[in-house]
This record gives sequence, C-alpha cells and structure tokens, in this order.
Amino acid sequence: KNEVEQSPQNLTAQEGEFITINCSYSVGISALHWLQQHPGGGIVSLFMLSSGKKKHGRLIATINIQEKHSSLHITASHPRDSAVYICAVNSGGGADGLTFGKGTHLIIQP
Amino acid sequence: DTEVTQTPKHLVMGMTNKKSLKCEQHMGHRAMYWYKQKAKKPPELMFVYSYEKLSINESVPSRFSPECPNSSLLNLHLHALQPEDSALYLCASSPRQGPDTQYFGPGTRLTVL
Repeated sequence: KNEVEQSPQNLTAQEGEFITINCSYSVGISALHWLQQHPGGGIVSLFMLSSGKKKHGRLIATINIQEKHSSLHITASHPRDSAVYICAVNSGGGADGLTFGKGTHLIIQP
Repeated sequence: DTEVTQTPKHLVMGMTNKKSLKCEQHMGHRAMYWYKQKAKKPPELMFVYSYEKLSINESVPSRFSPECPNSSLLNLHLHALQPEDSALYLCASSPRQGPDTQYFGPGTRLTVL
C-alpha cells in the first residue's frame, strides 16, 4: 500500500467550478507538500503544511494531522489550472526527500 | 535568483556511454536532491545531499553516481545504463535539511538506447 494516497486520480471540470483534491497518508510526517506539475515536467511547490490551513490566491490547502488527511481546493477554476497536482510528504527526520502520491490529473474545460 | 537549472534538457545515450547530468542553484540552499520520474508516475527519490555530503542513497544502482563538488552544484554521472533507466531526472534544492520547501529544476529527459 502506498504511503500517500490521492483522490481522485483524474478530474475534469468546467471553468469556474470549485475543485477539491484529497490526500491521505499512513505514516508520521513532519510536513506535507502540494506540488503542481505541468506537461513537460516542471514542478512548482504550491504549499508546505504542518498544521492548519494556508491560502494563496485562488488556492487553499488544509491539513488535519489527527485524521492524516489534507485537501487542496481551487476556487473559480480556470483552464490554466489544468495540470497534475501532487501530494508529497516528509516522513522522516534529517535530510529526507519527499514521498509522493500518484498525482491528480486535473483538466479545466472552458 | 530563485531558479534551479539543469543541463542538458534532453539526452540520448547508448548503453556503453558515460554521460553526466548537471544541476545548479544560487539560492544558498544546503540540501540538494535527485529524483527519477518515469512516464505517468510520481517522482522517486534517488539521492539527498546535505551540506555537500551524501545523506541518503535510496538503494540506487551503482551505474548512477552522484557528486556534489560545491554547495551550488550537483552532478549525476551515468555509466552503463539500461533502457529501463530512461526517465525524467529532476533536481531539487531546499534551504535546509529536513522539511522545507523544495525548488525543482525543469528536469533532464534521458533516453537510453
């Protein structure tokens, strides 16, 4: 079983819709990351969370440490939001790298 | 400068070739990472360098050899690769070891013939 599970795997929505992507993890973590990957490979870090909620523009990320669950919300979605959204965690101390979920492929249609 | 650069962008090599991938950052970050990403799969951690010392090696075959000559530069030396090593190789850096925002380079797309 993967340590980081995301849902849904694929999501197609209309422009303007409110989008929610979910992430559950099964290990103890020191931080959870939401990343965006566009076709061609570039990865951009959207949020790093260890508790609570963060907001940046139309993006909101929340985490519930007790339930080992995080959500990424996109308000007023736009076709340029189309990308793969990846949840990743730091699950150890020290100079640990990230353990990634399988990603959610989001398509926003005009 | 908040950019991680990687060269080359694309690399095609035969199984007997020796080549190197290069990653550079000038943000003063002290942790640097190599990840491997196969098509339609999430990235997988290969190596972590912290303060120019190899901190984590995720059981990567010896045909991949990392090197960190200084705090700004990270190399991945490739030798006797297999076709299944074809993938996108991503470099990332973060200000410090441990949980911190990682900044990713654009990747090198490697094809092994």
